[in-house]
Amino acid sequence: GAVVSQHPSWVICKSGTSVKIECRSLDFQATTMFWYRQFPKQSLMLMATSNEGSKATYEQGVEKDKFLINHASLTLSTLTVTSAHPEDSSFYICSARSGGGSDTDTQYFGPGTRLTVL
Amino acid sequence: AQSVTQLDSHVSVSEGTPVLLRCNYSSSYSPSLFWYVQHPNKGLQLLLKYTSAATLVKGINGFEAEFKKSETSFHLTKPSAHMSDAAEYFCVVTLYSSASKIIFGSGTRLSIRP
Repeated sequence: GAVVSQHPSWVICKSGTSVKIECRSLDFQATTMFWYRQFPKQSLMLMATSNEGSKATYEQGVEKDKFLINHASLTLSTLTVTSAHPEDSSFYICSARSGGGSDTDTQYFGPGTRLTVL
Repeated sequence: AQSVTQLDSHVSVSEGTPVLLRCNYSSSYSPSLFWYVQHPNKGLQLLLKYTSAATLVKGINGFEAEFKKSETSFHLTKPSAHMSDAAEYFCVVTLYSSASKIIFGSGTRLSIRP
C-alpha cells in the first residue's frame, strides 16, 4: 500500500525557535498533501492543503505566516512552525492523496510528529 | 453539506466478542466513506473504504463495513475482537470537490476487556 513518512517523529524545542516537519510520499506521487493538527483525545483538525508548485490553502483561523507550508516536489511537503510557543505544542499529522483528484481518492497518513515547545 | 457522526465516543467489548462501531453520514450525493484506525501516538491507518461499488466492504484485520443508503449509515464491524484492536477509530467522508477535503467523525475509542 501507499506509504507516507514524517520526520522527525518527535521534537522538543525552546520557545521562539522554528521547527520544520517533513512529509514524504514514499511510493507514489502526491500533487496534494494535507496538514492536520490533533489535540489530545480529539479528532484531527485540517490546517491547510498543500499543492505542489503553488501556494498552500489555509483553513479559517490558521495563521499562514506562523505555519509555513512548502510543497517543493510531488513527494515532499514541509510544515515550518515559526517562532514556536508552548501553545503550538501538539501532534501534527500529514496526509498525501493518492489518485487523480476525484472524490474517490484515498488519503494516506503519515505517522505524525509530536511537537513540544518549552 | 456533508457531515459524519460517530454515535459512540467509547465502546468497550470483551476479547472474542463482536465489535460494532457506528457511523452515520449526511450528504447530498453518494459519498466516498472511509474507516481509519489510530493507535496511541501513531498516525492513521486505512482500514477500508467505500466508493460506490459493493455495499459490503471488507478491510484489513478482519474488519468490514456495510454502506446502507436508506439508513445513511456505514457501521464498522468485526466478528471477534482481539486485544490489538484497542485503538481510536475514525469514520471519514469525502467532500465532493476537486480539492477532495475529507471530514472526520469525532472518533470512537475501542477498549478490549481480557
